[in-house]
Amino acid sequence: GEDVEQSLFLSVREGDSSVINCTYTDSSSTYLYWYKQEPGAGLQLLTYIFSNMDMKQDQRLTVLLNKKDKHLSLRIADTQTGDSAIYFCAESSYSGSARQLTFGSGTQLTVLP
Amino acid sequence: NAGVMQNPRHLVRRRGQEARLRCSPMKGHSHVYWYRQLPEEGLKFMVYLQKENIIDESGMPKERFSAEFPKEGPSILRIQQVVRGDSAAYFCASSPPTTGYNEQFFGPGTRLTVL
Repeated sequence: GEDVEQSLFLSVREGDSSVINCTYTDSSSTYLYWYKQEPGAGLQLLTYIFSNMDMKQDQRLTVLLNKKDKHLSLRIADTQTGDSAIYFCAESSYSGSARQLTFGSGTQLTVLP
Repeated sequence: NAGVMQNPRHLVRRRGQEARLRCSPMKGHSHVYWYRQLPEEGLKFMVYLQKENIIDESGMPKERFSAEFPKEGPSILRIQQVVRGDSAAYFCASSPPTTGYNEQFFGPGTRLTVL
């Protein structure tokens, strides 16, 4: 079955870059996503990458995909205190009618002043 | 365009009672998904529905849990005879009908506490 893994915690100083890593096992993954969850809130889609891409950049966010190693990372440049949240990696693949997302357990990012 | 709406936001039930969680998808979205988030864990898929049809319920517990998405009205996740282990945050997501990129928009969740 599919499995998505992330490290649980990351602390960085304000202004530094944050790199959150994720590994997945499903080689048929079509799209890979990064979601952000703030305390008591739902999930907000930050960015996604199609499996035939290596990199995607969107303002302060850079996603890198190593399909051979099944490794995904999210880099946040110039990290701010407002970036403190839990970040979830997720993947989806399509087989028949399946459209579910499989999530990692989330990385708690703490930004220190 | 209002986002995905869920109610109630918080629900407290005693063991053995029933819990009903409601989800109104975004306007124009005909696909609804339910996920459960246990404390300190990621979201786990439960069920995927389209109007009047359950498409994939591979993540639903076999007993006590049911879901529906009627032609009119919100999607309902129903948990009968709740137990303490059902305490979790339940998230609903919706997406438009598309065969490609599947962006799911999430609601704020219902936090169920079973006493």
